Amino acid sequence: SQKIEQNSEALNIQEGKTATLTCNYTNYSPAYLQWYRQDPGRGPVFLLLIRENEKEKRKERLKVTFDTTLKQSLFHITASQPADSATYLCALNYGQNFVFGPGTRLSVLP
Amino acid sequence: EAGVAQSPRYKIIEKRQSVAFWCNPISGHATLYWYQQILGQGPKLLIQFQNNGVVDDSQLPKDRFSAERLKGVDSTLKIQPAKLEDSAVYLCASSLIPGDSYTFGSGTRLTVV
Repeated sequence: SQKIEQNSEALNIQEGKTATLTCNYTNYSPAYLQWYRQDPGRGPVFLLLIRENEKEKRKERLKVTFDTTLKQSLFHITASQPADSATYLCALNYGQNFVFGPGTRLSVLP
Repeated sequence: EAGVAQSPRYKIIEKRQSVAFWCNPISGHATLYWYQQILGQGPKLLIQFQNNGVVDDSQLPKDRFSAERLKGVDSTLKIQPAKLEDSAVYLCASSLIPGDSYTFGSGTRLTVV
């Protein structure tokens, strides 16, 4: 069956460290993948898109990798700050829309 | 640029009652989506519109849920009759073209008691 898994429901890290979030998928073949940030009581906000022919994408302190062989995407936040605390969702393109993972709740501790 | 507008923000109804949610997408965005997000889960697609036509409603429980997008702009999602398991946040999103990144509204939190 088709499945999207994001590592650990919650992740706590110390301020200044690099946070690494994982998105693994089964029985999907996405041409591209997106990462979103969701704060409590708000809708998800788009962060980054990476295509299957791109190994890595960067935006400021964010970095995304996409390994179609491992069926995995990694999302990194370097020099993390308490303001980065939120839930992060990966989304795989599926037809003309996207299927979302369950999310990882990141807490950056001061 | 104005974002995706949704109303109401919160709604509490009794089971078997009906409820409607409204969404106004970003101007010029042809594609509109309704997602259901149950607490602790990722958003799940209910229906996708391209202009005023339905592209995908395969996961919409059509015995109780309906949606329309008249004139290809605003959209309304209705539940009738509501069940306890419909308690969730209903998110509207729009994109310029299918497969583009989404802009989400803040959602409507529905509680069915």
